[in-house]
Amino acid sequence: AQSVTQLGSHVSVSEGALVLLRCNYSSSVPPYLFWYVQYPNQGLQLLLKYTTGATLVKGINGFEAEFKKSETSFHLTKPSAHMSDAAEYFCAVSDVLYGNNRLAFGKGNQVVVIP
Amino acid sequence: GAGVSQSPSNKVTEKGKDVELRCDPISGHTALYWYRQSLGQGLEFLIYFQGNSAPDKSGLPSDRFSAERTGGSVSTLTIQRTQQEDSAVYLCASSPSGRVTDTQYFGPGTRLTVL
Repeated sequence: AQSVTQLGSHVSVSEGALVLLRCNYSSSVPPYLFWYVQYPNQGLQLLLKYTTGATLVKGINGFEAEFKKSETSFHLTKPSAHMSDAAEYFCAVSDVLYGNNRLAFGKGNQVVVIP
Repeated sequence: GAGVSQSPSNKVTEKGKDVELRCDPISGHTALYWYRQSLGQGLEFLIYFQGNSAPDKSGLPSDRFSAERTGGSVSTLTIQRTQQEDSAVYLCASSPSGRVTDTQYFGPGTRLTVL
């Protein structure tokens, strides 16, 4: 099965500072990678995804991620954190070996933005 | 248009009782997924539907869990003889076709508490 590793369950960042959330994947086939955000008491919302093509992917709310095959990574960044970025962030990979689009998620990063 | 909806939003039950959780996917989406989100285990895949069929049930944790989908639309997840370890948020997602590059759209979840 495919798997995803996200280190650091809680991440604190100052308002206006760089947001960097790390994601490493394990996959025996070309991966399809996703970042989702979850606000309190809400479902998951897609930030961005990598399927094929350009390795730098831009998403909503100023976030972007770069697929690096050599590092098996798909780190999420945002140049300047905003208070509204406080949420939980999940990296996921399509577990294609099962023949469908079931997602395997990392443990998530709870982001706290400090004024 | 309307997103994925789930009901109830919260469910409190006593150990040993049966519960039913409902998911209304986005109209026209043929693929439907159930996931479970718990503090200890993170986000876990439970079951995948394509139309009314469930070709991947491999994530269901025990035979107390079952799910069905009717009319290619509404899905119900049933947990029989609930246990305290079933306490979690149950998330439903739908996608247009189930292709591995599809975006999954998540509902707000049902928070299940087993006393």
